[in-house]
Amino acid sequence: DAGVIQSPRHEVTEMGQEVTLRCKPISGHNSLFWYRQTMMRGLELLIYFNNNVPIDDSGMPEDRFSAKMPNASFSTLKIQPSEPRDSAVYFCASSQSLSSGANVLTFGAGSRLTVL
Amino acid sequence: EDKVVQSPLSLVVHEGDTVTLNCSYEVTNFRSLLWYKQEKKAPTFLFMLTSSGIEKKSGRLSSILDKKELSSILNITATQTGDSAIYLCAVYNFNKFYFGSGTKLNVKP
Repeated sequence: DAGVIQSPRHEVTEMGQEVTLRCKPISGHNSLFWYRQTMMRGLELLIYFNNNVPIDDSGMPEDRFSAKMPNASFSTLKIQPSEPRDSAVYFCASSQSLSSGANVLTFGAGSRLTVL
Repeated sequence: EDKVVQSPLSLVVHEGDTVTLNCSYEVTNFRSLLWYKQEKKAPTFLFMLTSSGIEKKSGRLSSILDKKELSSILNITATQTGDSAIYLCAVYNFNKFYFGSGTKLNVKP
């Protein structure tokens, strides 16, 4: 398995521009998570999906952020308009929901976003 | 509020030392506790613990869960410079994974 695949790996953009981050979860995993990591705040959960349905988006900072999962193999996180404080590493992660609760979260390589 | 707290926040040791990293949690409907290692990229999975008192071991790393004390420790013996990383603790409760802020370990030669 290729693991969780994210693109782009690096993105440099100017304030006000739209940014779209993409994620392909591991095949067979039915839960997908978007995290943001900064030195100041550590790993923050933005939103997660179960079976393509958004379950909890309480971590999404504001209306500028949106996420979609149109099918089991693809998700996007969009920031519009972007601001310098959005600069961070954005991780996508997936897991298989097991009735035992013994889930392991697998991370993608991350997308490093710099907003100038 | 569900939370996971790790200590210490950072640690500097010399090669060959033994270190113990701590993780305590207050998470409703606990299901499992996971340890991850993060170098300059994505966190990678180390251990998953679901039962108290059963040690998980992988080489020089080991971990144990105490569900009565709501805590876990990660031990690293005979540390090497390659162990330098951020170690993250996460707790899963059937809904989300709650992460601690991590312990930054620096192993000096």
